Amino acid sequence: DIQMTQSPSSLSASVGDRVTITCQASQDISNYLNWYQQKPGKAPKILIYDASNLETGVPSRFSGSGSGTDFTFTISSLQPEDIATYYCQQYNNLPLLFTFGPGTKVDIK
Amino acid sequence: QVQLVQSGAELKKPGASVKVSCKASGYTFSAHYMYWVRQAPGQGLEWMGWINPYNGGTNYAQKFQGRVTMTRDTSISTAYMELSRLTSDDTAVYYCARDWNERQLADCQYMDVWGKGTTVTVSS
Repeated sequence: DIQMTQSPSSLSASVGDRVTITCQASQDISNYLNWYQQKPGKAPKILIYDASNLETGVPSRFSGSGSGTDFTFTISSLQPEDIATYYCQQYNNLPLLFTFGPGTKVDIK
Repeated sequence: QVQLVQSGAELKKPGASVKVSCKASGYTFSAHYMYWVRQAPGQGLEWMGWINPYNGGTNYAQKFQGRVTMTRDTSISTAYMELSRLTSDDTAVYYCARDWNERQLADCQYMDVWGKGTTVTVSS
């Protein structure tokens, strides 16, 4: 099974800061990597799919990059409404299955 | 609009089973895989499996094989997830989520629409 790690597990940053989260897969997953945002008490929301594609309607301050085993998620200018936990998620196509990373909690300093 | 409406909270005793429903609206139910994801209190997200509403095909995460059953009723656009032999470790919020990929025509897979979640509490 493919294992996913994320770092850091939590971070605190100021409004306007650039925030970067990394996600690492235990083996090559090409670009089969998605990023979700989950606010407290709410269902997750897709932000980035296939490593670098911004979901329709998601603000452009969110971005993703990477391929193979190492991926990066960036918020270019942190806003108060970005307080949430962010999860990476990898998937295999054959058979279709998914694994979530452990999550990164983002707070305002 | 596309919507997934889940059934209400459940309180179950250890050893019992729970069946959670997820009613879809606003799109062609049979054209999109449905996933189930759970989240224990204070913990991360855990993928449980999927069902293809078109033909009823399923694939379950290894952890849940033998204990989970995903079904659907296309006449009422509803997916179900039943988990048996419950323990306190199954206390969690259970989400259904739709795959954006209509009829699996693309390689890309992600969960674009989510239900609000169903809280399942297992306690004696």
